[in-house]
Amino acid sequence: RKEVEQDPGPFNVPEGATVAFNCTYSNSASQSFFWYRQDCRKEPKLLMSVYSSGNEDGRFTAQLNRASQYISLLIRDSKLSDSATYLCVVNMNYGGSQGNLIFGKGTKLSVKP
Amino acid sequence: EPEVTQTPSHQVTQMGQEVILRCVPISNHLYFYWYRQILGQKVEFLVSFYNNEISEKSEIFDDQFSVERPDGSNFTLKIRSTKLEDSAMYFCASSEALQEIAKNIQYFGAGTRLSVL
Repeated sequence: RKEVEQDPGPFNVPEGATVAFNCTYSNSASQSFFWYRQDCRKEPKLLMSVYSSGNEDGRFTAQLNRASQYISLLIRDSKLSDSATYLCVVNMNYGGSQGNLIFGKGTKLSVKP
Repeated sequence: EPEVTQTPSHQVTQMGQEVILRCVPISNHLYFYWYRQILGQKVEFLVSFYNNEISEKSEIFDDQFSVERPDGSNFTLKIRSTKLEDSAMYFCASSEALQEIAKNIQYFGAGTRLSVL
């Protein structure tokens, strides 16, 4: 069973659109959750952490549902510069785990003019 | 803004050769990690390092791999005898803490692209 699953996309949207990404994780003991973005052939860069109460950072809103083991990311008023691959990332951080990150395969977003 | 730096950006080597990938983590960080990403695939954890020893390693991190912190700033990944399938992007990451919210965020270097011929 895959540990972190995401819709691979691609999502092709016009500028100004609202787009939502979903992610599920298999291990209920997971502790920390993040969305990273990755541009082509670049390193993952933290977009935002995801907290139980949900959190917002400008045009970006992240939600966590621990009961359903589900994480989401909403991007409003999308810009051309939002074009990237969005990585759902889970940090196990329990028992013998020393905090290694488990990555989804990513969802590719392409914002068109 | 502090950042993780990695050298070289691209390493080309012959199969069977040894390579050393170098990383300078963010200065006040205590936890260090190596990840790899084969082209077109997801980022995979290799190893974590804390207090001068390996904390955890994945099944990918076999006897051909080793890590070292030779001085107070560098963190290296050595592959003893490279194989074709070692060709990938290797990312170093560091974090300030392990569990504390906000301090457990891992920051990634720009990566080293390893090409094994």
